[in-house]
Parts: sequence; C-alpha cells; structure tokens
Amino acid sequence: GQNIDQPTEMTATEGAIVQINCTYQTSGFNGLFWYQQHAGEAPTFLSYNVLDGLEEKGRFSSFLSRSKGYSYLLLKELQMKDSASYLCAVRSGGYQKVTFGTGTKLQVIP
Amino acid sequence: DSGVTQTPKHLITATGQRVTLRCSPRSGDLSVYWYQQSLDQGLQFLIQYYNGEERAKGNILERFSAQQFPDLHSELNLSSLELGDSALYFCASSVVAGADTQYFGPGTRLTVL
Repeated sequence: GQNIDQPTEMTATEGAIVQINCTYQTSGFNGLFWYQQHAGEAPTFLSYNVLDGLEEKGRFSSFLSRSKGYSYLLLKELQMKDSASYLCAVRSGGYQKVTFGTGTKLQVIP
Repeated sequence: DSGVTQTPKHLITATGQRVTLRCSPRSGDLSVYWYQQSLDQGLQFLIQYYNGEERAKGNILERFSAQQFPDLHSELNLSSLELGDSALYFCASSVVAGADTQYFGPGTRLTVL
C-alpha cells in the first residue's frame, strides 16, 4: 500500500516564506505532485517532480528526494490568497495511479 | 477554468436513492478520473478510465459504478445512497493515462438526507 504524510495545519505571516513537507512510502514510485485547493473548490496543479532536486516556478518551488521519500513545497512572499489546502500526491504502480495525501491547511495571517 | 465540466453542481437526495454524476473532460483528453472528498478528508481515488476502458480502481464501493462513453464523457452512478456518501465528487482528466497533470472539474456536491 501507500502512505503519505503531511502536517494537518500551518500558519504563516503575509510576506514570509513557508515550507510544507510531505513524506511518502510507496512501491513503484513514478512522480510527486503538489496541488492547491481553496475551500469548496477544485484542486489546481502547482508542480510535478520525478527526479531529485528543486523545481522553481515563480513564488512556488518544490523539492524531491526519492531516496528519503520526502518532498517539500516552498511558498515565498506569502499573500493572503495563498490561504488554502496544499495536497501532496504520489504516482506509482503499473497503471500509475495517483494517491493524494490528506492535505495541509495553510492560513496566512497579516 | 480547467476545461473539465461537471453536472450537476449540487445534488440533494434521500437515503436509498440513486444518482448519476456527469463529467466532460477537456478537449483532447482521453483519461478520466473520479475522486470523492468528504468533509475534512483528502481526495479518495475511486476509478480511472482511459479511452473507454477501465484502467485503475481505487476505494470504490460496490454500490458505485462508472463508465466512459465513446465521446469520452463519463458518468458516475451512486446507488442505495447512505448518509455517509455525502461529499464532493470531483472528476479530473488528462491527455493520457500516465500524464503529468490531472485537470480537475469544479465538482458535484452531493448531500444525502
């Protein structure tokens, strides 16, 4: 089976930097995704990592270490609109099924 | 707007009833995924179709079934509904079965009374 762990909640200050961690245990790993989901809305794609290292995309960066089963999402220059849940998802298996973690609810405060 | 459409947006029904949720994928996408998201829970993968064929199955109850039609739209059928089936049901699509990105529709909020 698969196991994906993320902190349940985090709070950070507007303008600051926050790092959301994700650890996973799976067989046949084939990529890790980060999605953003505002309450009651659909998840939207943020990033995808399949190789070790850092992927940067504007204010958001995502890091992956396959050997450690670890990823993080880094959000810089936080804005109030960044308050949302951040979902870590792992793709694995022969049919490349994607399994989502329960998400980290981030609250950005002034 | 992701390009994935879902109908209806809201659905209220009673226990024991049956409902059908509909999804139209983005133009050109061959793969469709269904997810259930209950209050304060993560996205639970239900089932995936690729070009009309079932590709992967997750935690889908026997009371639930789905299909993908030749025009690539998909329907999720939920029967003998229980209170615990109340949730947001999302459909997502991707170009191929193992694509990098899934694009999510706006979801159908199902309330079972």
